[in-house]
Amino acid sequence: NAGVTQTPKFQVLKTGQSMTLQCAQDMNHNSMYWYRQDPGMGLRLIYYSASEGTTDKGEVPNGYNVSRLNKREFSLRLESAAPSQTSVYFCASSEAPEFPAEAFFGQGTRLTVV
Amino acid sequence: AQKITQTQPGMFVQEKEAVTLDCTYDTSDPSYGLFWYKQPSSGEMIFLIYQGSYDQQNATEGRYSLNFQKARKSANLVISASQLGDSAMYFCAMRGDRGTSYGKLTFGQGTILTVHP
Repeated sequence: NAGVTQTPKFQVLKTGQSMTLQCAQDMNHNSMYWYRQDPGMGLRLIYYSASEGTTDKGEVPNGYNVSRLNKREFSLRLESAAPSQTSVYFCASSEAPEFPAEAFFGQGTRLTVV
Repeated sequence: AQKITQTQPGMFVQEKEAVTLDCTYDTSDPSYGLFWYKQPSSGEMIFLIYQGSYDQQNATEGRYSLNFQKARKSANLVISASQLGDSAMYFCAMRGDRGTSYGKLTFGQGTILTVHP
């Protein structure tokens, strides 16, 4: 069972470069999420998609864009990377919010912007 | 708006003893779910327990129980009979099931639990 797959696992970018973090889930989940986690801190919500075709901003959306490509895939794009975006990024998915089910997480992407 | 607050940056407990990790929340949504996750040093997120806002009884999963006090807006995690493998970061989270925060899953800052032998 693959669950939630994130690519890449590690990435080093130069300031100003762009990149897309990919996330795919094979559990037919409606909702998908992107978080960032900085050292010693909690997970901060960047964007989420409660269902296919919808996306909403979380707590820290500035500098990021997302695309819910289809039900399986939810990508996160950094248009012009900044050192402040150095972080570990997690993608997650879950059943529709009406269902009492947990979110499943990918293994994370460790991004360094130099 | 949703907000989750975990006021204990770090907690220590002796092996085999019980420990309570605090979590308070704020929301204007009429229905929501509360979650606890464990993050060991390896970094993966492990789901522990879920409590629905309309559930009458406190949730339990093995050694984990959730002390849900809706009027006080608290959802504390109780770990009984602590084990060395329980040493990790613990996160409280909330997801709106209806209303303006529909589908939004928000996490607290986390509590680092250290279990001493």
